[in-house]
Amino acid sequence: DTEVTQTPKHLVMGMTNKKSLKCEQHMGHRAMYWYKQKAKKPPELMFVYSYEKLSINESVPSRFSPECPNSSLLNLHLHALQPEDSALYLCASSVGPQETQYFGPGTRLLVL
Amino acid sequence: AQSVAQPEDQVNVAEGNPLTVKCTYSVSGNPYLFWYVQYPNRGLQFLLKYITGDNLVKGSYGFEAEFNKSQTSFHLKKPSALVSDSALYFCAVRDMYTNAGKSTFGDGTTLTVKP
Repeated sequence: DTEVTQTPKHLVMGMTNKKSLKCEQHMGHRAMYWYKQKAKKPPELMFVYSYEKLSINESVPSRFSPECPNSSLLNLHLHALQPEDSALYLCASSVGPQETQYFGPGTRLLVL
Repeated sequence: AQSVAQPEDQVNVAEGNPLTVKCTYSVSGNPYLFWYVQYPNRGLQFLLKYITGDNLVKGSYGFEAEFNKSQTSFHLKKPSALVSDSALYFCAVRDMYTNAGKSTFGDGTTLTVKP
């Protein structure tokens, strides 16, 4: 298996909802990432997990909560989001934190 | 600190002509350099990277890039463009020994290849 999968593909949520994004890889990669991307803009790093430990948090608001239950799985828990949080959320993984990152197809999130 | 500049928002070429997408970078140490391509409503796809060794790096789909240390550039090239190459291209840099996991992306260049 040589890909990063993300579910769901699309998500619409209200500002009071709680939802989660899921990312999975079975390439044995030990670093996993969450990015936020607005249309036609570069990805913005949110979180990095290295060997299942949070190593980078780019001052992301607490309404975004990452979780890495095991080396293959990465979740992003969402609560009380704002309309400006609407974006494409990308997950990526790499062999280690200095190696090439491989991206999933993303979850398109719309906050109403 | 590390940074990347992609000086052109848009590059237009005719099918069959050579293409170049420009990238310059700044890092305090030695760079890891990457090119990614993004098709509409998709994630980023890895094209190629430079870590060390030959300055000319060959990647996927016939793309190549030349690392130029003196000009701090890593331009993406292809000898003969295809309409299917039309997409958004991102250059990224990471300092080899610091900022583990933290890549800096350029603002992106939209490549349009016309038949």
